[in-house]
Amino acid sequence: EIVLTQSPGTLSLSPGERATLSCRASQSVSSSYLAWYQQIPGQAPRLLIYSASNRATGIPDRFSGSGSGTDFTLTISRLEPEDFAVYYCQLYGNSPPITFGQGTRLEIK
Amino acid sequence: EVQLVESGGGLVQPGGSLRLSCAASGFTFSAYWMSWVRQAPGKGLEWVANIKQDGSEKYYVDSVKGRFTISRDNTKNSLYLQMNSLRAEDTAVYYCVRSIAVAGFRPWGQGTLVMVSS
Repeated sequence: EIVLTQSPGTLSLSPGERATLSCRASQSVSSSYLAWYQQIPGQAPRLLIYSASNRATGIPDRFSGSGSGTDFTLTISRLEPEDFAVYYCQLYGNSPPITFGQGTRLEIK
Repeated sequence: EVQLVESGGGLVQPGGSLRLSCAASGFTFSAYWMSWVRQAPGKGLEWVANIKQDGSEKYYVDSVKGRFTISRDNTKNSLYLQMNSLRAEDTAVYYCVRSIAVAGFRPWGQGTLVMVSS
């Protein structure tokens, strides 16, 4: 079983600052199947990044993804007020393992 | 516009059954794998099940195997989740999601709440 561990659990930053969120896999995974989602409280998740580094349609370029093997990173270059939310990484594909990290909560400092 | 609309959630007693539906529009439903993902109150996301375009392959998370059944009707552009022997730990918002093998889960429906309680 592949486990995705996100850190930190909570990140407190101010608008305009840079956010760096980490996702670590318990074993090496293909970057082709690593995604990041944003969930604003009360809303459904939204795909931000797929294949580790590709922005989904309509996602601002302040969001970027990187990484390979077991270590992946979501970076938000300059935080906007609407970016404060919960972020999940995911290993996906057509067959298991399909799993999510436990989430990182990005809160306003 | 690509849209997914779930329905069928509600309050059910432990051991009971419920059938969730998801109506898809704005895309060629029969061309995509589809998934159900759930989120317990205040918790993270958990993939539940998925199904191939023609229904010939289905996969489940271990905790629902033998109790839940995913299915689809491509003539009705609809996805279903039959949930039997429900437990309190199945209480969650259930999301219908279009799955793209190398491009993630998108979009997500608004979700339907299932509450299992006596």
